Amino acid sequence: GQQVMQIPQYQHVQEGEDFTTYCNSSTTLSNIQWYKQRPGGHPVFLIQLVKSGEVKKQKRLTFQFGEAKKNSSLHITATQTTDVGTYFCAGTATGTASKLTFGTGTRLQVTL
Amino acid sequence: GAVVSQHPSRVICKSGTSVKIECRSLDFQATTMFWYRQFPKQSLMLMATSNEGSKATYEQGVEKDKFLINHASLTLSTLTVTSAHPEDSSFYICSASRLSLAKNIQYFGAGTRLSVL
Repeated sequence: GQQVMQIPQYQHVQEGEDFTTYCNSSTTLSNIQWYKQRPGGHPVFLIQLVKSGEVKKQKRLTFQFGEAKKNSSLHITATQTTDVGTYFCAGTATGTASKLTFGTGTRLQVTL
Repeated sequence: GAVVSQHPSRVICKSGTSVKIECRSLDFQATTMFWYRQFPKQSLMLMATSNEGSKATYEQGVEKDKFLINHASLTLSTLTVTSAHPEDSSFYICSASRLSLAKNIQYFGAGTRLSVL
């Protein structure tokens, strides 16, 4: 079955440092979504990428979808303590309609 | 917009009892609802996909007689954990989507933390 892996599993940074999480799918995706889950909370939708090579920005967050539509990345510039949480990518495999397969997640810890 | 309400947020029950969890889309009609299970510090595992008015589609390895799903209306889906045992203790999260609303985006409920004693 489809597998979506993320690296790293965990990263601890000091506030102000940059952070990147990488997402790799075993199959080609029709689209990729990113979610953030705060400790004790539920996943919250951040963004969706659809086109090959697409890059989208949300303030300090930059999302990229690979040319082959099998990988994606999320980069946070100058992290803040409010960025703490687990970031999940989630992909829809081509031909599977609305079903999302979530990545393994990257837990980000930010300290002062 | 796109608010999903999930109740209860936390439930503690004795082994052998059944627990019902409700998932409601408050401001949109959800053609599809999803039920996930999440263990501590792990990812979300899809349990089943629920379409209004039809039987749920369960993922491989999920017992349909154990986890009963009903999607009675376009705004309500329920998950019933029957004869719960300690190994069923977990965080259960529902989500709802409507393809015509916004490109297959899923909106999540707050989750239900189930503890079976």
